[in-house]
Amino acid sequence: ETGVTQTPRHLVMGMTNKKSLKCEQHLGHNAMYWYKQSAKKPLELMFVYNFKEQTENNSVPSRFSPECPNSSHLFLHLHTLQPEDSALYLCASSQQAGSSYEQYFGPGTRLTVT
Amino acid sequence: AQSVTQLDSHVSVSEGTPVLLRCNYSSSYSPSLFWYVQHPNKGLQLLLKYTSAATLVKGINGFEAEFKKSETSFHLTKPSAHMSDAAEYFCVVSTFSGGYQKVTFGTGTKLQVIP
Repeated sequence: ETGVTQTPRHLVMGMTNKKSLKCEQHLGHNAMYWYKQSAKKPLELMFVYNFKEQTENNSVPSRFSPECPNSSHLFLHLHTLQPEDSALYLCASSQQAGSSYEQYFGPGTRLTVT
Repeated sequence: AQSVTQLDSHVSVSEGTPVLLRCNYSSSYSPSLFWYVQHPNKGLQLLLKYTSAATLVKGINGFEAEFKKSETSFHLTKPSAHMSDAAEYFCVVSTFSGGYQKVTFGTGTKLQVIP
């Protein structure tokens, strides 16, 4: 266990549904991240929060909406997704945002959009 | 611009023989470099990191990597492979400039260990 938990572990949703992914870290970190891991593609950094402030949005479509109510919790709200959004979504945390801080990853949520 | 190239998508070694996973990077800024491992159906786990200190970095489970600036490489090695090393390995470059963090993952190398 890395101290980063994600729920649910698996999610199947239709294109018209609205769902949320949850991430919680128990490490006392101040930065949290969302990544997308698709088959045969490198991990893509989606969002970065540092001390609850969003510092990165790497051209992610608006159908993905992050929320960080405090330094321990991170959500990814999903609505009107497309089949190509099916992937493993990984959450990570680090002491703070910065190049030298290693990230601790959760186990991921396997999302299937039908 | 920032990029990471993992030169081999698959590497197969016999148990007890050395492991070499290759990684080359490019970055406009002084980078930090990481190797992560991902076992099936599990999240990523940090193996080791380089952050401008010693160029030879030792990590967990007997892995080590050497930062070679002149060759822009950060290859991962282990003297003797164990069955439990079978997994996917990711080389990562991270920079922080102007308040923005940029993290770039390689495409991964799947390590197969043959008994």
